[in-house]
Amino acid sequence: DIQMTQSPASLSASLEEIVTITCQASQDIGNWLAWYQQKPGKSPQLLIYDATSLADGVPSRFSGSRSGTQYSLKISRLQVEDIGSYYCQQAHSNPPTFGGGTKLELK
Amino acid sequence: QVQLQQSGAELAKPGTSVKLSCKASGYTFTSYYIYWVKQRPGQGLEWIGYIYPGNGGTYYSEKFKGKATFTADTSSSTAYMLLGSLTPEDSAYYFCARQRYYFDYWGQGVMVTVSS
Repeated sequence: DIQMTQSPASLSASLEEIVTITCQASQDIGNWLAWYQQKPGKSPQLLIYDATSLADGVPSRFSGSRSGTQYSLKISRLQVEDIGSYYCQQAHSNPPTFGGGTKLELK
Repeated sequence: QVQLQQSGAELAKPGTSVKLSCKASGYTFTSYYIYWVKQRPGQGLEWIGYIYPGNGGTYYSEKFKGKATFTADTSSSTAYMLLGSLTPEDSAYYFCARQRYYFDYWGQGVMVTVSS
């Protein structure tokens, strides 16, 4: 199985701050990478797919990038509604493995 | 619009089974995989496996072989997961999700509590 190593595990940031979360794939997955947001008590929601494409309805302050086998999710100006957990997921090979998650809190 | 509606919370005794349902609407049920995902409180996402309602094909994570059984009823567009031989370690939220490369729609989740 492809391993997805996500960091940091937790993050505390202030409103309007730039936030970056990264995921390292254990092998080449091309652009087959998604990011999900999970707010407390809710199911995960697709944020970004194909490493850089924004899902429908996702604010433009979210963006995804890739450098080799390292992938990043960036929130350009943190808002209150962005608080929650974030997960990456590779879709290159079965099984579709998730990163361990990043819990984002307000400082 | 696409929806995945899951059944309600379950309280079960150790050693028993529960059958969770996931009713799909707003799309062609037989054209997408339905995955099941486990999440223990405060923990990450763990995939259990999937069923492809188009042909009934299933795939299970090694960890859940013998624990979970997937079925699908195409007449009602409903996927099911049977969890057997329950232990307290099975207490968690369980989500169904539609997948074609990515999980674009999720059910609301169901809490399963295993306690004597």
